[in-house]
Amino acid sequence: GAGVSQSPSNKVTEKGKDVELRCDPISGHTALYWYRQSLGQGLEFLIYFQGNSAPDKSGLPSDRFSAERTGGSVSTLTIQRTQQEDSAVYLCASSSRTSGGLADTQYFGPGTRLTVL
Amino acid sequence: AQRVTQPEKLLSVFKGAPVELKCNYSYSGSPELFWYVQYSRQRLQLLLRHISRESIKGFTADLNKGETSFHLKKPFAQEEDSAMYYCALSGRGTGNQFYFGTGTSLTVIP
Repeated sequence: GAGVSQSPSNKVTEKGKDVELRCDPISGHTALYWYRQSLGQGLEFLIYFQGNSAPDKSGLPSDRFSAERTGGSVSTLTIQRTQQEDSAVYLCASSSRTSGGLADTQYFGPGTRLTVL
Repeated sequence: AQRVTQPEKLLSVFKGAPVELKCNYSYSGSPELFWYVQYSRQRLQLLLRHISRESIKGFTADLNKGETSFHLKKPFAQEEDSAMYYCALSGRGTGNQFYFGTGTSLTVIP
């Protein structure tokens, strides 16, 4: 089947506007992750969803960032009142949990490149 | 606290030379270590994981708990190995969260 998809692939917005980034995980994957990839910063964890459990939001950099996962599938990352420092590539990944509860391979989407002018 | 350190941001080697990308971690429990790779204009993908004990594209990585390291090695680098490499850590104590290093950009010079 299809891999992880993300939309849009590119987003240019003006400072102060809100943006929504979408992630469609691999069907059946219970875990979904959002990361931010900035030049020289590597991958910065943002938020993690696992099944019906409360999401781990410990990586969200400010209250301007929020994410939802509807029906245990599609996820939306929302950034309110965007700032120039929010410019980055936002990556989504999904994985399944192995029978032993171990972390499984993450499958990454192509990312959304966000540019805040 | 969990942490993954990749001390080299940039690494250049000549084709045919051995290559080692360093990764050190900090984790109090039993870690699961991974190497992910991102080739130019491709998405990030798994290269290998320590529990599989496998060699992928000639790369190997051994988990050294004493030195808390998981260095990635290849005896003879190829041009197609040029990419961005990320070391990642997970484990039961992390709640299945992944911690990535800042990445090492490898360039193999022809």
